[in-house]
Amino acid sequence: QKEVEQDPGPLSVPEGAIVSLNCTYSNSAFQYFMWYRQYSRKGPELLMYTYSSGNKEDGRFTAQVDKSSKYISLFIRDSQPSDSATYLCAMSTGGSYIPTFGRGTSLIVHP
Amino acid sequence: GAVVSQHPSRVICKSGTSVKIECRSLDFQATTMFWYRQFPKQSLMLMATSNEGSKATYEQGVEKDKFLINHASLTLSTLTVTSAHPEDSSFYICSAEDRGLRNGYTFGSGTRLTVV
Repeated sequence: QKEVEQDPGPLSVPEGAIVSLNCTYSNSAFQYFMWYRQYSRKGPELLMYTYSSGNKEDGRFTAQVDKSSKYISLFIRDSQPSDSATYLCAMSTGGSYIPTFGRGTSLIVHP
Repeated sequence: GAVVSQHPSRVICKSGTSVKIECRSLDFQATTMFWYRQFPKQSLMLMATSNEGSKATYEQGVEKDKFLINHASLTLSTLTVTSAHPEDSSFYICSAEDRGLRNGYTFGSGTRLTVV
């Protein structure tokens, strides 16, 4: 079992839909949780980061962490075609800050 | 915000030759940089941690003699793929930790290496 599991998709939704992206993990020592967006042939860019459990909102993006279930989510409201990209979850422990990445979910938002 | 510049963005080389990829932190100092490799539809795989002024730390299974890393200053790390072979063709990405982002890693734009 990989430390971080993420469905690669692709996930195709119509413009304006609410998108839910998820990751599960097995290492209970993970405390920092991040979401990155990666456009084709580009490096990932940090979207959200959270510490421990709870929710964090930033504009149309909401990150949720449920440590009891070892499950994290990223919600995108009012999705736009420009949101079409691969979304990678990443997480790290308190002792080592080097993140472990999921394989990424490909999102396609069609007009 | 923090910017990491990586170049070249794309390179094609012949088998047996060496290729150097540069990674620069533009507006912050990075004592530590990271080098990743990414295959299509796969996750980022950490290859090595580059430490300014000292030897790089390689992940298990990564050949240190093949992937030479030099981190000579606080803003520049280089990855040299030596004696490249077609199986080395991949997307290479560097990143640096921006302490100001608190656990946020800023990534370069990546280098697409094709070995023919």
